Amino acid sequence: QKEVEQDPGPLSVPEGAIVSLNCTYSNSAFQYFMWYRQYSRKGPELLMYTYSSGNKEDGRFTAQVDKSSKYISLFIRDSQPSDSATYLCAISSGGSYIPTFGRGTSLIVHP
Amino acid sequence: GAVVSQHPSWVICKSGTSVKIECRSLDFQATTMFWYRQFPKQSLMLMATSNEGSKATYEQGVEKDKFLINHASLTLSTLTVTSAHPEDSSFYICSALGDRMNTEAFFGQGTRLTVV
Repeated sequence: QKEVEQDPGPLSVPEGAIVSLNCTYSNSAFQYFMWYRQYSRKGPELLMYTYSSGNKEDGRFTAQVDKSSKYISLFIRDSQPSDSATYLCAISSGGSYIPTFGRGTSLIVHP
Repeated sequence: GAVVSQHPSWVICKSGTSVKIECRSLDFQATTMFWYRQFPKQSLMLMATSNEGSKATYEQGVEKDKFLINHASLTLSTLTVTSAHPEDSSFYICSALGDRMNTEAFFGQGTRLTVV
């Protein structure tokens, strides 16, 4: 079993839809949870960062962590075509920052 | 957020030649830099971790003599792919971590290497 599992998609939704992206992980020592957005042929950019269970909101984005289930989610409200990208979850155990990445989910928001 | 600049953004080289990729932190001092490799539709695979002024730590399966990493200053790390082969063609990405930013790292734009 991989340490971080993420469905590669693609996930195709109409503009304005609510998008749910998910990752599961196996190592209960993981403490820090991040979501990155990566446009084609570009480096990843950090979207959300959290270290506790519960929800964290930033504009149209909400990150959710359920440590008991080892499950993290990223919700995108009112999705836009400009949100079309690959979304990678990344998880680390703290101490030294070396995250383990999911393989990324390709999201397509069509007008 | 902090800015990490990676150069070149793409490069094509002939088999057997060497290619150098630069990663610079523009507005902060990066004590640690990471080098990743990413194949199409795949996740980021950590190749090595480098700390300024010391030898890089390579992940299992990564040939240190083939992928030479130098982190000679707090703002610059380089990855040199030596004697490149077509199977080395990939997307290489660096990220940098500073002293005061020990909870997140910032990524460069990536370099697409094509070996022909």
